[in-house]
Amino acid sequence: NAGVMQNPRHLVRRRGQEARLRCSPMKGHSHVYWYRQLPEEGLKFMVYLQKENIIDESGMPKERFSAEFPKEGPSILRIQQVVRGDSAAYFCASSPRPGTNTGELFFGEGSRLTVL
Amino acid sequence: QKEVEQNSGPLSVPEGAIASLNCTYSDRGSQSFFWYRQYSGKSPELIMFIYSNGDKEDGRFTAQLNKASQYVSLLIRDSQPSDSATYLCDNFGNEKLTFGTGTRLTIIP
Repeated sequence: NAGVMQNPRHLVRRRGQEARLRCSPMKGHSHVYWYRQLPEEGLKFMVYLQKENIIDESGMPKERFSAEFPKEGPSILRIQQVVRGDSAAYFCASSPRPGTNTGELFFGEGSRLTVL
Repeated sequence: QKEVEQNSGPLSVPEGAIASLNCTYSDRGSQSFFWYRQYSGKSPELIMFIYSNGDKEDGRFTAQLNKASQYVSLLIRDSQPSDSATYLCDNFGNEKLTFGTGTRLTIIP
């Protein structure tokens, strides 16, 4: 019974490159959340998705960041033209289908992005 | 203004003592609250949730919800060094947890 799987665990990119972070939710979970945590700071909500639908992207930067959760496959957080300030831990969390959403989020181990 | 405000800390407590973590909230309609713990370098994990007014106990942890005064607390009895972590509270408003900076708790041996 696998938990939330994130990959890669560590990613190094040079300024201007693209970063793609993947998240496979727990089996049976249809809601995915992405959070960013800068060094020595708290978790910041970025985006909330259901399959093929972005529910809330109020925490996403307006430019360079995008997220998707296709019908098949993992959710992907994409950062284009990365800058040093994007260096952070990116956490994905999942929760069950609507109606059973109790507020418990199951988190993955995170993806640590380092921009050189 | 954030809907749920947490005492920012940091908080240091001697081993064996009671650690008290507090949050206040602005939306009187809030129904449930969740406490997460995050160890340094790790992902958050749910430790307690509370829906009803009053206390909810789970081992050394007690969550308290006071809807009249609009605050929620987490008490940790017999604090252990392994309780040293950042504690986050939120109410799952708008179907998401937005957390905050949390309260960093250090248990001093």
